[in-house]
Amino acid sequence: DAKTTQPPSMDCAEGRAANLPCNHSTISGNEYVYWYRQIHSQGPQYIIHGLKNNETNEMASLIITEDRKSSTLILPHATLRDTAVYYCIVRVNYGGATNKLIFGTGTLLAVQP
Amino acid sequence: SQTIHQWPATLVQPVGSPLSLECTVEGTSNPNLYWYRQAAGRGLQLLFYSVGIGQISSEVPQNLSASRPQDRQFILSSKKLLLSDSGFYLCAWSVRGSLTYNEQFFGPGTRLTVL
Repeated sequence: DAKTTQPPSMDCAEGRAANLPCNHSTISGNEYVYWYRQIHSQGPQYIIHGLKNNETNEMASLIITEDRKSSTLILPHATLRDTAVYYCIVRVNYGGATNKLIFGTGTLLAVQP
Repeated sequence: SQTIHQWPATLVQPVGSPLSLECTVEGTSNPNLYWYRQAAGRGLQLLFYSVGIGQISSEVPQNLSASRPQDRQFILSSKKLLLSDSGFYLCAWSVRGSLTYNEQFFGPGTRLTVL
């Protein structure tokens, strides 16, 4: 699976949009971009994933550049409960047996009141 | 709906003692199961994964072992704990056989301190 690079930490004001970047310059054509987050002392939580089109769900939006070498996770209106470590992961959608996630160190997003 | 349970929530054990952490999943059948460890201030490391009863794959050499005696039960064990085994242990499951959607669902975790 391709390696990702994320800033170690970011701040965001409550109510504002949080834009979390991720570089994955060695991504392959069949690799998806996944985002998870981990609130302190809890298990990670899936947020969103995409291949090449932008994606949106009730939690966030995922913007993938045309060359697919980077992406941005957008939390449109950050709240204090969004304070967490956000992990960007790229992986092949094997399905079935080898359904593994390789977590990096992520970005600690601190939402400020 | 599906739920995943882990116990105990916290555990303090002396060096050299045995370990048994249990994970069970409800509301699904034939899941893929995973054990991760997170050392203090670090990312998650995949330890083991299983695609079926009795089928265990180890990702890293270590002092731990895993077993899957039932379809929805995953156990992490050690015969003799080391100080370096301290950490936050997470169990996760995913749908087996899905080609387009392989989100992993994590349990609440067990915080292990080895003294």
